[in-house]
Amino acid sequence: DTAVSQTPKYLVTQMGNDKSIKCEQNLGHDTMYWYKQDSKKFLKIMFSYNNKELIINETVPNRFSPKSPDKAHLNLHINSLELGDSAVYFCASSQGSSHSPLHFGNGTRLTVT
Amino acid sequence: AQSVSQHNHHVILSEAASLELGCNYSYGGTVNLFWYVQYPGQHLQLLLKYFSGDPLVKGIKGFEAEFIKSKFSFNLRKPSVQWSDTAEYFCAVRALGNEKLTFGTGTRLTIIP
Repeated sequence: DTAVSQTPKYLVTQMGNDKSIKCEQNLGHDTMYWYKQDSKKFLKIMFSYNNKELIINETVPNRFSPKSPDKAHLNLHINSLELGDSAVYFCASSQGSSHSPLHFGNGTRLTVT
Repeated sequence: AQSVSQHNHHVILSEAASLELGCNYSYGGTVNLFWYVQYPGQHLQLLLKYFSGDPLVKGIKGFEAEFIKSKFSFNLRKPSVQWSDTAEYFCAVRALGNEKLTFGTGTRLTIIP
């Protein structure tokens, strides 16, 4: 049973397209996150939701829009994809307290050509 | 704002050597600290965490880390590394009461058989 699952695992698309990545967690956690990992392995938080409410919104282009239909799901929609959006996107969840670790999904490798 | 520094970008060791990876954080208040490991092509997995009590914490796979408050450090150690420890290692900090987990830039560890 996968705790945090993301789909798709790989996504190859052309510049200008719109794409979505889905994430679901079955851990009963209250908080979900999206992180971006660039080609140098640097991990940067993008968004966080707690019980469907946005609580962290880092400096991310507004082409990126997260959507949380319920606390078990956090999807990421990206409009007008650019070459610089190529990266691995990781979804994660946690119980919400500051000493609770994050549980990560397997990542979605996005390649924009 | 919290931040994390990992000064070792790439460490190369022979099997059975001892390991210490540096991690320093910047934050004036109470923090929770984590080490994550990312094996090639995989997602991040929790190695260990510190949030209170004994500053020497033990994690999985024989890893341990020591929190030294006066030095703002949380170095990762392992007495004898194995080839299977080849991976990327990330230190992370989370301020008390804060949802945001901030990662360091990572240290790539290569173990030579």
